[in-house]
Amino acid sequence: DAGVIQSPRHEVTEMGQEVTLRCKPISGHDYLFWYRQTMMRGLELLIYFNNNVPIDDSGMPEDRFSAKMPNASFSTLKIQPSEPRDSAVYFCASSQQGGYTEAFFGQGTRLTVV
Amino acid sequence: TQLLEQSPQFLSIQEGENLTVYCNSSSVFSSLQWYRQEPGEGPVLLVTVVTGGEVKKLKRLTFQFGDARKDSSLHITAAQTGDTGLYLCAGASGTYKYIFGTGTRLKVLA
Repeated sequence: DAGVIQSPRHEVTEMGQEVTLRCKPISGHDYLFWYRQTMMRGLELLIYFNNNVPIDDSGMPEDRFSAKMPNASFSTLKIQPSEPRDSAVYFCASSQQGGYTEAFFGQGTRLTVV
Repeated sequence: TQLLEQSPQFLSIQEGENLTVYCNSSSVFSSLQWYRQEPGEGPVLLVTVVTGGEVKKLKRLTFQFGDARKDSSLHITAAQTGDTGLYLCAGASGTYKYIFGTGTRLKVLA
């Protein structure tokens, strides 16, 4: 398996534009997580899905952020409109059962909003 | 809100030295994981501990889960330059999500 695949690896956009980040989890994994990493706040959980259903989105910073998982092999995180403070590395991770099992992370998308 | 504080934040040591990194919380966790992250990559799991007082060894790395399951430590013996990276602890408490600690950035000098 190729692991968790995220695209794009880097994104530079202007303030106010819509940004869509994409993730393909490992086949057979039931859980999918979106994280954001910054120097100031570390690695923060934004939202996670179980069997394509959003379970906990309490970490989503505000209404400008939305996430979907239309099927078991694809998820998106959308920011609309984007702001400079959204600049961060966004990681997607998947795991087989969640809980005590290992989360496999993608390489991340480095987002810069200017 | 569950918080996981790691110390130290930064650590720079010479190759061959020993070090210990700490992960502390006021919350009880049902399990705790340690990850290592290298620049430009996502975190990679090192170990999972689930029992209070548990000690796990992975070659030169020793992980301990506190008796009360609120804290953990990672000890590295005879550090090597390949150990350089960001070390993250992550705790779960009954739900299927892990909260990550603040991280310890380790640099091992040749």
